[in-house]
Amino acid sequence: GQNIDQPTEMTATEGAIVQINCTYQTSGFNGLFWYQQHAGEAPTFLSYNVLDGLEEKGRFSSFLSRSKGYSYLLLKELQMKDSASYLCAVRYSGAGSYQLTFGKGTKLSVIP
Amino acid sequence: DTGVSQDPRHKITKRGQNVTFRCDPISEHNRLYWYRQTLGQGPEFLTYFQNEAQLEKSRLLSDRFSAERPKGSFSTLEIQRTEQGDSAMYLCASSFLDVTEAFFGQGTRLTVV
Repeated sequence: GQNIDQPTEMTATEGAIVQINCTYQTSGFNGLFWYQQHAGEAPTFLSYNVLDGLEEKGRFSSFLSRSKGYSYLLLKELQMKDSASYLCAVRYSGAGSYQLTFGKGTKLSVIP
Repeated sequence: DTGVSQDPRHKITKRGQNVTFRCDPISEHNRLYWYRQTLGQGPEFLTYFQNEAQLEKSRLLSDRFSAERPKGSFSTLEIQRTEQGDSAMYLCASSFLDVTEAFFGQGTRLTVV
C-alpha cells in the first residue's frame, strides 16, 4: 500500500508555531503536497515539494526528506483562521501518476 | 474565472435511486479529476480525464459509478442504485498541465437515506 500517516488532531495557541508531520512510503515517490481544508469546504493548495529541503511561503513552510519519507508543514504566527484540517498528499510515479494519495488529515485547533 | 464549480452542493436521496453530479472546471483546464471524501478521511481518487478521454479509474469506481466528459469541458458523475456507503463528499478538481496545479471545487455532499 501507499500509506500516508499524519497525526489526527493537534491543538496550538494563537501566535505560536506548530509543526504537522507526515510520513509516506518512498517507493515511486514523485512529489508531496499540503492542502488546507476548512470544514465543509474544498481543499486549497498550500505547498508542493519534490526535492529535499524547505519551501517557505509567508507564514507557511513545508519541508521534505525523500530518503526518510518524511515531510512537515510549519505554521508560524498562528491565527484563529488557521483552524482547519491539513492534508498531506503524495503523487507516485508510474501507473496512477495523475492521482494524489491523501492522508486522513490533521485537524488543527487554534485556541486563544 | 470563478474556479471549479460543482452542482448540486448537497443531495439527499433514498437508497436505490440514481444520482448525477456535475462539475464545471476552470476554463482552459484540460485535466479533470474526481475524488470522494468521507468524514474524517482524506480524499480518495476516483477517476481522471484528459480532455474527453477517461485515462484512469480507481478500483473504488464500481460498475454502479460512471463518469463522462463528453466535450472535454464539464463532467458528470453518476451513481446508480445508491447505497448508504455512497454517502460522502464528491470533489472535482481541474488543472491545465499537471496535477501540481489542480484546483478543487467545493464538492457535492451526498447523503443516502
